[in-house]
Amino acid sequence: GESVGLHLPTLSVQEGDNSIINCAYSNSASDYFIWYKQESGKGPQFIIDIRSNMDKRQGQRVTVLLNKTVKHLSLQIAATQPGDSAVYFCAENGDDYKLSFGAGTTVTVRA
Amino acid sequence: NAGVMQNPRHLVRRRGQEARLRCSPMKGHSHVYWYRQLPEEGLKFMVYLQKENIIDESGMPKERFSAEFPKEGPSILRIQQVVRGDSAAYFCASSPGRGVEQYFGPGTRLTVT
Repeated sequence: GESVGLHLPTLSVQEGDNSIINCAYSNSASDYFIWYKQESGKGPQFIIDIRSNMDKRQGQRVTVLLNKTVKHLSLQIAATQPGDSAVYFCAENGDDYKLSFGAGTTVTVRA
Repeated sequence: NAGVMQNPRHLVRRRGQEARLRCSPMKGHSHVYWYRQLPEEGLKFMVYLQKENIIDESGMPKERFSAEFPKEGPSILRIQQVVRGDSAAYFCASSPGRGVEQYFGPGTRLTVT
């Protein structure tokens, strides 16, 4: 079956710097990926998604890159703010509905 | 437009009791999903339901766990005869269709003592 994982469990970043969070997946048939942000005590919050027919997608201060050749996904956050401190998950949407989550990267923003 | 609602937010049960977790999807959403999250882990898919139908329950333990999404009212995740290993955060998500963004509720944190 497919699996989704993140390279690093924690990331510490200076306020104002850019953050890059990485994720690897194993199922080459995966065609839809989503990044979620989860703050302590809350449910996952949608950040941005990308389909396999794209390499890059941009949102407000966030960019997702998809490299299908090496099965790698990344989330870039520009000008990181204290409110960006959270756990970030990449997820693959298999079978059109079954989200498979990685273990998460905890991002801590230093003032 | 209210988001996905879950209650209770926190639930404490003794071993052997039953736990009932409720989820009201976003208005207009007829697809509901339940996920379980253990500490320090990502969410794990449990079950996918549409109104009055279970579409996929492959992630749900065969024993003691059941889910429903009736024609009227919230979706219910029911855990009978709870054990300590059932302690986790249970999240519900909803969507207007398949293959699109799932919106998550705040979760129910179940503690079994």
